[in-house]
Amino acid sequence: DVKVTQSSRYLVKRTGEKVFLECVQDMDHENMFWYRQDPGLGLRLIYFSYDVKMKEKGDIPEGYSVSREKKERFSLILESASTNQTSMYLCASETGGVDGYTFGSGTRLTVV
Amino acid sequence: GDSVTQMEGPVTLSEEAFLTINCTYTATGYPSLFWYVQYPGEGLQLLLKATKADDKGSNKGFEATYRKETTSFHLEKGSVQVSDSAVYFCALPGAGSYQLTFGKGTKLSVIP
Repeated sequence: DVKVTQSSRYLVKRTGEKVFLECVQDMDHENMFWYRQDPGLGLRLIYFSYDVKMKEKGDIPEGYSVSREKKERFSLILESASTNQTSMYLCASETGGVDGYTFGSGTRLTVV
Repeated sequence: GDSVTQMEGPVTLSEEAFLTINCTYTATGYPSLFWYVQYPGEGLQLLLKATKADDKGSNKGFEATYRKETTSFHLEKGSVQVSDSAVYFCALPGAGSYQLTFGKGTKLSVIP
């Protein structure tokens, strides 16, 4: 089974902190994605990457950046955390579009 | 652009009731269609998929048929269980893209 592992299930950070959310997949997928999920708003794409060192903005990239130095790892960075970034963050990977995405278990981030 | 429209929830059913969650799509061509499920506190999991018109995807007692005439991919289950309580998402890839477009999600609660 493809595994997508998010390093933390729950995080509590202070306003202004720099926050790193890590995601690792073990099936050599080219494409990786970061979403946030909020009640009533569904899934919103933050950033995605289709290759090492490549990144593309999604629908809501403001306040975030990403890093993909190795194919298996895609990191989401909150440069200066704010309370409106309190959310569930979901990482996903896929290859080719035929089989859909494989998601990680999510990281619930609270910024206080 | 390609999109999915999913019935709004929440949906509350008694155990052993019949479930239908409606999903209609707008797409160029005939993309693969997906249903994902998200159990409380978890990431999304692929529930089932269909890759071409008239295909029926099935898994865990759930079924959905890819109907191009009505541009629909409704999710059905004949007898729901309490353990089916979750949020269900319909999804399809965008035209010429591997990125999935998700519906807003339908929350299902099954009561004993």
